[in-house]
Amino acid sequence: GAVVSQHPSWVICKSGTSVKIECRSLDFQATTMFWYRQFPKQSLMLMATSNEGSKATYEQGVEKDKFLINHASLTLSTLTVTSAHPEDSSFYICSATAYLAGVKNEQFFGPGTRLTVL
Amino acid sequence: AQSVTQLDSQVPVFEEAPVELRCNYSSSVSVYLFWYVQYPNQGLQLLLKYLSGSTLVESINGFEAEFNKSQTSFHLRKPSVHISDTAEYFCAVSENNQGGKLIFGQGTELSVKP
Repeated sequence: GAVVSQHPSWVICKSGTSVKIECRSLDFQATTMFWYRQFPKQSLMLMATSNEGSKATYEQGVEKDKFLINHASLTLSTLTVTSAHPEDSSFYICSATAYLAGVKNEQFFGPGTRLTVL
Repeated sequence: AQSVTQLDSQVPVFEEAPVELRCNYSSSVSVYLFWYVQYPNQGLQLLLKYLSGSTLVESINGFEAEFNKSQTSFHLRKPSVHISDTAEYFCAVSENNQGGKLIFGQGTELSVKP
């Protein structure tokens, strides 16, 4: 149980285009999803916290108009990188929290999406 | 504000040797502590966690970590490592009033050599 998927697993796009990444909780309802980015050989940096049905909360320094987050249902959150540039190339990872059988404050991570902007 | 420090960026060890990956945190409130493992080009997998109760927690593949409140540490140990343990390990902390928000350490690259 508690499986999180991401699609696509990798994407290559041209500079100036927009890219959408999906994060789904497959077997549970996730009221909260988180989006992280990870540069090579570095740690995960939290970008934003997404609650179903409300606006995402962005971390300091993250451009909300650049990284659009939508959390329309309890099983799906999307991250859209608008007008992508080479510096947006990174590994994007989502996670979801579930309140199952007393489990709380534990995040389940997706496999990540490798974005390369040419 | 909470923070997590992993003191060693790289830890090379020989197979079957013991290993300790260090993690210290700072927080003014109660915390939950986690260790995650990441294999190349993959997401994170939970290795073990401390939420409450016994301060010594174990994983199914032989790792253990001990929560030491006085030293604000949560070091990860394994008495005998395998080649397959080669991966990046992340320590993370969540304050119990922050809705599950995780703060990660910088990561430690464990490299097990034959």
